[in-house]
Amino acid sequence: DIQMTQSPSSLSASVGDRVTITCQASQDISNYLNWYQQKPGKTPKLLIYDASNLETGVPSRFSGSGSGTDFTFTISSLQPEDIATYYCQQYANLPITFGQGTRLEIK
Amino acid sequence: QVQLVQSGVEVKKPGASVKVSCKAYGYTFTSYGISWVRQAPGQGLEWVGWINAYNDDTNYAQKLQDRVTMTTDTSTSTAYMELRSLRSDDSAVYYCARTTFYYDSSGHYPANLDYWGQGTLVTVSS
Repeated sequence: DIQMTQSPSSLSASVGDRVTITCQASQDISNYLNWYQQKPGKTPKLLIYDASNLETGVPSRFSGSGSGTDFTFTISSLQPEDIATYYCQQYANLPITFGQGTRLEIK
Repeated sequence: QVQLVQSGVEVKKPGASVKVSCKAYGYTFTSYGISWVRQAPGQGLEWVGWINAYNDDTNYAQKLQDRVTMTTDTSTSTAYMELRSLRSDDSAVYYCARTTFYYDSSGHYPANLDYWGQGTLVTVSS
């Protein structure tokens, strides 16, 4: 199975800060990488697909980049409603695997 | 609009079976797959498996493949996940998610989980 390693596991930042989360795959997954947001007590939501494509309706402050084994998820200006846990997910090989999650808090 | 509506809370004893349903609205059911993902309390997301509603192909997480079965009823646009021989560590919220797929010469493969159901809490306890 492909292992997905996110860092950091948790992060505290201030409103307006630029926030970056990384995700590393244990082998080359090309751009077969998605990012999800899960707010407390809520269902996961797809934000970024194919490493860098913004899902319809998702604010433009969210972005993704990378290919191969190293990927980055960025919030350009953190908003209070962005408090959530963020997960990367690969679909290059079965089984689909998720990163362990990054919990984002407001400082 | 696209919506996935799951069945309600389940409480089961160890060794029992559970069958969770996921009824789809607002899209052509057979143009997508359905993935099942579970989340134990306070934990991350774990992919359970998927079914391609186009051709009923399935793929399950290896650790569960002997105990899980996924099916669809295209007449009602409903997907089902049955998990047998339940154990306490199967206690989790189970989500269904509409899943896009890509295909090559070897078959169809799940990709993006773009709409999720509200989740079904399954508790396994004696």
